Amino acid sequence: SQQGEEDPQALSIQEGENATMNCSYKTSINNLQWYRQNSGRGLVHLILIRSNEREKHSGRLRVTLDTSKKSSSLLITASRAADTASYFCATDSGYALNFGKGTSLLVTP
Amino acid sequence: DAGITQSPRHKVTETGTPVTLRCHQTENHRYMYWYRQDPGHGLRLIHYSYGVKDTDKGEVSDGYSVSRSKTEDFLLTLESATSSQTSVYFCAISELQARRATEAFFGQGTRLTVV
Repeated sequence: SQQGEEDPQALSIQEGENATMNCSYKTSINNLQWYRQNSGRGLVHLILIRSNEREKHSGRLRVTLDTSKKSSSLLITASRAADTASYFCATDSGYALNFGKGTSLLVTP
Repeated sequence: DAGITQSPRHKVTETGTPVTLRCHQTENHRYMYWYRQDPGHGLRLIHYSYGVKDTDKGEVSDGYSVSRSKTEDFLLTLESATSSQTSVYFCAISELQARRATEAFFGQGTRLTVV
């Protein structure tokens, strides 16, 4: 079954604002990853955070992981129209990655 | 972009016919996956492979079979296509490090319509 679940399902903000998406999962993990999907395209890897890490940064992205709450958050700072996409969290179960249903982010100029 | 090619990119087929989708990689990654993406369901794992001739089922494997005779190719077959298999299919590849999944690289997807 799908491991991760993103919240909210949809988010609409204006350029320059910050966007925060959350992911909850059910069982213990080795790592958690975030992906972006532009309309009609395949998924693109954004960032991976290991279970022994609490926070990780990559450019305008900030990811946190709370293993005690089985949750993660993705923060996109100073959003741009080009950030409009769907965002998915993925957790590993051995060989495979399990994805949530995603958060659809719309950034308007 | 990682070297992953899915073919065909679009296909319309009739109910009851067999359909084979192909995923070809040039990255020599050991692990390959087939997902389907449907509105309201996100991505769901169909089958995956952890080596040549080594495959296993995902959460939605019924009605699908796979084969991997070479490192670079992973085939997904719909044995007898049904309308419920209308979907966008994605192939992905990855490696493991210390037995943990690392980042996955995705193909561009195949849009399959079963009429």
